[in-house]
Amino acid sequence: QVQLVQSGAEVKRPGSSVKISCRASGDAFSGYAVTWVRQAPGQGPEWLGRFIPSLGVAKYAQKLQGRITITADNPPTTGYMELSRLTSEDTAVYYCVRDGGGLYQPWGQGTLVTVS
Amino acid sequence: DIQLTQSPSFLSASVGDTVTITCRASQDISSYMAWYQQKPGKAPQLLIYSASILESGVPSRFSGSGSRTQFTLTISGLQPEDFATYFCQQFDGYPPATFGPGTKVDIK
Repeated sequence: QVQLVQSGAEVKRPGSSVKISCRASGDAFSGYAVTWVRQAPGQGPEWLGRFIPSLGVAKYAQKLQGRITITADNPPTTGYMELSRLTSEDTAVYYCVRDGGGLYQPWGQGTLVTVS
Repeated sequence: DIQLTQSPSFLSASVGDTVTITCRASQDISSYMAWYQQKPGKAPQLLIYSASILESGVPSRFSGSGSRTQFTLTISGLQPEDFATYFCQQFDGYPPATFGPGTKVDIK
């Protein structure tokens, strides 16, 4: 069974950066994209960006352009998401997902990022 | 970006009830609709994709229908483990994908 395991919770100061990792079991990312979403309390998930390991190409949410970087190892066993210039509005649970053409399964367990 | 609205945002039901959740898209998305279930403190789980196809391992009491701009998720015979929050998600013109705001199904 494919599993995604994310790094632990982070507490960050406003203006700093955070980098979260997402380790996949086996070759879970081969042939797939790695997507990151976040979820603020009581809200629906928000798409942040996607990285296609086979192409080395990333695409990001327009509102985060210039602040977010999504990468993966080669071969793609671990994905990463870095977000800079943090503000309180970035406080959320961040999830990595295996992306099969826009369908997200499985999900990582989530990483709480608190900006305070 | 394509916007999704869900109704109701909250519903109260009993074990054995049949419930229906509606999701509307701001433009035609054909059948590029998925539904997820999320329990407190857990990540969402994929239930249905392409509007009506059940993900492997998902009980048959879950069903989806619809196309273009209006979609429904139906749970026939609610079980205790079904009390959760449900999100719709569109993946037409993706990326970006977008999610609905969610429907919380609570115990009456």
